[in-house]
Amino acid sequence: AQRVTQPEKLLSVFKGAPVELKCNYSYSGSPELFWYVQYSRQRLQLLLRHISRESIKGFTADLNKGETSFHLKKPFAQEEDSAMYYCALTTNAGKSTFGDGTTLTVKP
Amino acid sequence: EPEVTQTPSHQVTQMGQEVILRCVPISNHLYFYWYRQILGQKVEFLVSFYNNEISEKSEIFDDQFSVERPDGSNFTLKIRSTKLEDSAMYFCASSEDRVNEQFFGPGTRLTVL
Repeated sequence: AQRVTQPEKLLSVFKGAPVELKCNYSYSGSPELFWYVQYSRQRLQLLLRHISRESIKGFTADLNKGETSFHLKKPFAQEEDSAMYYCALTTNAGKSTFGDGTTLTVKP
Repeated sequence: EPEVTQTPSHQVTQMGQEVILRCVPISNHLYFYWYRQILGQKVEFLVSFYNNEISEKSEIFDDQFSVERPDGSNFTLKIRSTKLEDSAMYFCASSEDRVNEQFFGPGTRLTVL
């Protein structure tokens, strides 16, 4: 069975500071990994996915198969980055598992 | 930009009653999902649906739950006999394929009294 672990429930940084939201996974097959974000009073939306290898809103995430990690990083956090972030794994069969989520607060 | 819609936004029901939560996925999407989020807890996968049948379901999705795509547009989640612990936010999502981005609806808050 697959599992996604986000060890930090809450993360608080100052504006301009680097931020890293951790995500570790376990899955015997080849996973598809995503970061979803939920801003206050908005719906869940995709932030980025590992296969696209792109940077969205300054965030990047690299899949490290050796460490089974998919940490989300941003070099300079902004106040508008404050939100709930979910790491998610989807199997080839279409079953998705979300982590517990990390609430990021960026202080001015 | 097309969006997933869900109705109602809030449903209150008595324990033991049946509820149907409705979703309209994005029109060209082929894969459909239901998730739930109990207050203060994580988003939990319930079921995925493709080609008019369930492709995956979680252990939460027991015999009390069923899904249907009755008319090629709506995608519904039925809870046959609601329990107090079914109180949660239920999210519908759709995607073009199994491993692509999922687009989420705004959710239906179900309260079971």
